Amino acid sequence: AQSVAQPEDQVNVAEGNPLTVKCTYSVSGNPYLFWYVQYPNRGLQFLLKYITGDNLVKGSYGFEAEFNKSQTSFHLKKPSALVSDSALYFCAVRDPGAGSYQLTFGKGTKLSVIP
Amino acid sequence: KAGVTQTPRYLIKTRGQQVTLSCSPISGHRSVSWYQQTPGQGLQFLFEYFSETQRNKGNFPGRFSGRQFSNSRSEMNVSTLELGDSALYLCASSLASAGDEQYFGPGTRLTVT
Repeated sequence: AQSVAQPEDQVNVAEGNPLTVKCTYSVSGNPYLFWYVQYPNRGLQFLLKYITGDNLVKGSYGFEAEFNKSQTSFHLKKPSALVSDSALYFCAVRDPGAGSYQLTFGKGTKLSVIP
Repeated sequence: KAGVTQTPRYLIKTRGQQVTLSCSPISGHRSVSWYQQTPGQGLQFLFEYFSETQRNKGNFPGRFSGRQFSNSRSEMNVSTLELGDSALYLCASSLASAGDEQYFGPGTRLTVT
């Protein structure tokens, strides 16, 4: 079975500082990994994904994520946080090797960027 | 290109009633997935449809059902509503393959009283 964990319910960071939102996953084969962001009272927006290839993936709004197979992690990062980055962030995993099209989400991490 | 649209946006029902939610995917997208979002359980997968066929189903009771039409539009139905069904129901569409990202609609907020 596929699963994903976001160990931190909330992350606080000062504006201009680097931010990291953590994600670990569990699948039987090679994972497809995704990050989404949700602003209040809105649907989820796609940020970036890892399918194969370079372990460092760049996405929207200056975000990037690093796939680490040995640590089964896919942490989201940004070099310099903006107040407008404050939102709920979700990591998601899909296990294509299991023939599943189901996307499993983590519980979400609330990011607060403090001016 | 228009995004994913969901109707209605808000809905209030009483226990025991049934409800139908609608989702129109992005043009050209053939896969539609449904999720239930609650503060306690987070985002939970309901089901996924592709070319009018259900490819995957989550762990929800049979009261939750869905279908997809030939134009890729999808509906989900919840029968015999319970208080615990109160949630934000999100629809997402994608092209077709497992590596494709999903694009989400704004959701339907269902309140069961």
